[in-house]
Amino acid sequence: EPEVTQTPSHQVTQMGQEVILRCVPISNHLYFYWYRQILGQKVEFLVSFYNNEISEKSEIFDDQFSVERPDGSNFTLKIRSTKLEDSAMYFCASSAKQGRTDTQYFGPGTRLTVL
Amino acid sequence: ILNVEQSPQSLHVQEGDSTNFTCSFPSSNFYALHWYRWETAKSPEALFVMTLNGDEKKKGRISATLNTKEGYSYLYIKGSQPEDSATYLCAGNNAGNMLTFGGGTRLMVKP
Repeated sequence: EPEVTQTPSHQVTQMGQEVILRCVPISNHLYFYWYRQILGQKVEFLVSFYNNEISEKSEIFDDQFSVERPDGSNFTLKIRSTKLEDSAMYFCASSAKQGRTDTQYFGPGTRLTVL
Repeated sequence: ILNVEQSPQSLHVQEGDSTNFTCSFPSSNFYALHWYRWETAKSPEALFVMTLNGDEKKKGRISATLNTKEGYSYLYIKGSQPEDSATYLCAGNNAGNMLTFGGGTRLMVKP
């Protein structure tokens, strides 16, 4: 069964460093998402992406964050200058269509630890 | 902004027990309700998407109902097994595709 994959599974970085989290969505999906879960808190939406553009973003997704689909298979989340409060589990998801009833399929997450 | 709440936060049951837990959301401005099952170190697994008041969906021993008028959904597990141990997440969406998640119910089934 097709699945969303994410690499790395765990990333440790120093405050102020740039990180890139990588995702390979399900191959025929067109809509891509990033969510995160800070330890002990709810899963939060960051951004959705379609046709090489951001279609929605939350207040969390500020200028420090960017997303890209560099090569038709990968979908990346870049954090330019990490802060301690960026430590979280980051989930990528994809869906075939954009309807609100369409299932978003999640990857296993990347745990980001900022020291 | 949709506010989604789940209860209880955690639940311990014996193997063979049936159990249920609740997801509540504002009944106005609601479009769809999603349930996921999440085991540690794995991907959250999609269980159901429901939109209509009175919707009832079933997958094996797991079923869910939706009441959009009063703003809640129940997830039921019949005859719990140790492999059902996981966190069950619900998420709602109103405008757009952004999912707003509840805090999850952590289920532990003792053999």
